[in-house]
Amino acid sequence: GAVVSQHPSRVICKSGTSVKIECRSLDFQATTMFWYRQFPKQSLMLMATSNEGSKATYEQGVEKDKFLINHASLTLSTLTVTSAHPEDSSFYICSAATGANYEQYFGPGTRLTVT
Amino acid sequence: QQPVQSPQAVILREGEDAVINCSSSKALYSVHWYRQKHGEAPIFLMILLKGGEQKGHDKISASFNEKKQQSSLYLTASQLSYSGTYFCGTGKGAQKLVFGQGTRLTINP
Repeated sequence: GAVVSQHPSRVICKSGTSVKIECRSLDFQATTMFWYRQFPKQSLMLMATSNEGSKATYEQGVEKDKFLINHASLTLSTLTVTSAHPEDSSFYICSAATGANYEQYFGPGTRLTVT
Repeated sequence: QQPVQSPQAVILREGEDAVINCSSSKALYSVHWYRQKHGEAPIFLMILLKGGEQKGHDKISASFNEKKQQSSLYLTASQLSYSGTYFCGTGKGAQKLVFGQGTRLTINP
């Protein structure tokens, strides 16, 4: 149980284009999903908290107009990187919270490369 | 406030034990432990909520001190599959987790 999928696993895009990443909870409903960014050999940095049916809460320093988050259902949240630049290249991971103690279960991550 | 993990890296031979610590200057609501292998998603190991709590499964266990300012993860008789980076995350209920910087564990045959 508690499986989270992410799509795509890898994406290469050109500078200036937009990329959408999907995060799905496969066997449970998640009212709260989280989006993280991870640079090589570094920790997970929370970008935003996504709540079903409401606006996402962004962490300080994260541009909400650049990283658009939509949580349209209890099993799907999407992150769109708009007008991507090479510095946006990173590993993006989502998680979905479930259980009495809101344990977070992570998706497999998406490696984004902007050329 | 980001919790502090120690050590930053550990190299062991298969069968040896390891302890990874996660500390905070303030009392924590909860501690979540994860293991991440290179290029993969972090895998949930366990969560501790109560001061003085100890829990574990197989040969991986964890404790949470009475003041709820430190948690330790214990890996006994380590196996090759235990290799990876271990993160502690601290949080409160449905709110966000703040992760430590990670401890890289390498197990050699």
